[in-house]
Amino acid sequence: LAKTTQPISMDSYEGQEVNITCSHNNIATNDYITWYQQFPSQGPRFIIQGYKTKVTNEVASLFIPADRKSSTLSLPRVSLSDTAVYYCLVGDNNNDMRFGAGTRLTVKP
Amino acid sequence: DTAVSQTPKYLVTQMGNDKSIKCEQNLGHDTMYWYKQDSKKFLKIMFSYNNKELIINETVPNRFSPKSPDKAHLNLHINSLELGDSAVYFCASSRGGLAGGQNTQYFGPGTRLTVL
Repeated sequence: LAKTTQPISMDSYEGQEVNITCSHNNIATNDYITWYQQFPSQGPRFIIQGYKTKVTNEVASLFIPADRKSSTLSLPRVSLSDTAVYYCLVGDNNNDMRFGAGTRLTVKP
Repeated sequence: DTAVSQTPKYLVTQMGNDKSIKCEQNLGHDTMYWYKQDSKKFLKIMFSYNNKELIINETVPNRFSPKSPDKAHLNLHINSLELGDSAVYFCASSRGGLAGGQNTQYFGPGTRLTVL
C-alpha cells in the first residue's frame, strides 16, 4: 500500500493561494491520487483526483510531476470557510487507500 | 435528499451495552464502508462491503459486526461496548472498488458514540 506524507498543519490568510504538498514515493503504476477535505463534525468530502500532470475543477487544482512521487493541492484565494483538514490518498482501489493524519489548514482573517 | 445517511447522529450509552448504527445510501453504489475516527482524529477503515459481500475486515474486535441486508444498507452492531469504543463512526459508499474515474467515496455525517 502506497503511503503518503503531508505537513501536519499550515496557516494562511484570506485571499492567499494555498499549496499543500503530499509525498508518495512508492506510488504504483495504476494508483490514482485523491484529495479529501474534512470540516469539523462532518465526514470527509471529495475535492479532486488525478493521475498525472494537472487537473483543475471549480474548487482546486492538482499538480502532479512526471515521476508522480508527489502531488500538490492548490487552493486559490482561500477564505475562512476553507479551514479544514485535507487528506491525500493514493491507490488504485478504494479498499486499499488509507487516510493518513492529513494537513490541518487554518485560514486567518 | 441526503446521499449517505446515518442514524443516530449521537449515541450515549453505558459500558457493556449492545448498540447499532444504521447507514443507508441512495446513490445506487455497490460498495459501502465503515470508518472510525478517534479523539486524535485518525480516520481508520473498519469494514468494506461490495454487493453485500465483506471485502475488508481490518483488525477490528469481533464485538463489531457489520450487516448488509441489501446493497443500499450497511449497519454496524457493537456488542459489549467499552470505553475505548468512544469515537465518531462514519459510513461511506462508492460506485465500486476501483479508485479511478471519479469513483470516490461519499461519506455520511457521522455518528458520535460516547461510552460511559
